Amino acid sequence: QSALTQPASVSGSPGQSITISCTGTSSDVGGYKYVSWYQQHPGKAPKLMIYEVSNRPSGVSNRFSGSKSGNTASLTISGLQAEDEADYYCSSYTSSGSVVFGGGTKLTVL
Amino acid sequence: EVQLLESGGGLVQPGGSLRLSCAASGFTFSSYAMNWVRQAPGKGLEWVSAISDSAGRAYYADSVKGRFTISRDNSKNTLYLQMNSLRAEDTAVYYCSKVRSSVLVRTGEFDYWGQGTLVTVSS
Repeated sequence: QSALTQPASVSGSPGQSITISCTGTSSDVGGYKYVSWYQQHPGKAPKLMIYEVSNRPSGVSNRFSGSKSGNTASLTISGLQAEDEADYYCSSYTSSGSVVFGGGTKLTVL
Repeated sequence: EVQLLESGGGLVQPGGSLRLSCAASGFTFSSYAMNWVRQAPGKGLEWVSAISDSAGRAYYADSVKGRFTISRDNSKNTLYLQMNSLRAEDTAVYYCSKVRSSVLVRTGEFDYWGQGTLVTVSS
């Protein structure tokens, strides 16, 4: 199972909005509602930010939103804050019964 | 408060074995499937294995199938990963993770993670 495709890096200024894409196939992202997004700060464990494409766990800011179109899922962060600077990973259930992650995207807040 | 505490990592030679443990607290361990996810130094996340709440079903990534065995002891609230025939490419931080919903097993929705334990495979 190949990793989902994410941009290596994105950047934005405080207050701006950014979107991170996650491209897979009809056998993973496009075929299931089980797309999640994780935030990982250096040296820390990942944190679930979005599940089932667009749902936010309790306690996650509503500045984070998720969507999907075809085989591509997206994470949008609005009103960028310095604390949002981190690595972001998408994940998806696959038709082979496994879980696949994206390669990760480094978000820099300028 | 949910807590997951991994242990058992360390330095092992290629071909060697290691057993990781993950002690869980703060939730009804026996009601949730659990997973292992690893992260090689400077690299991305990789799903390794999943086990159902009752331990009746176990699943593995192709990269570890036949070498790793996931298990759990619900009486001790502990998750395990037995790793045999270790290779250099198994070097990573290994995280145990709890699934978000009790009806899920291996959908990639992990709401709690441990701090990770480092496994280094090198001669």
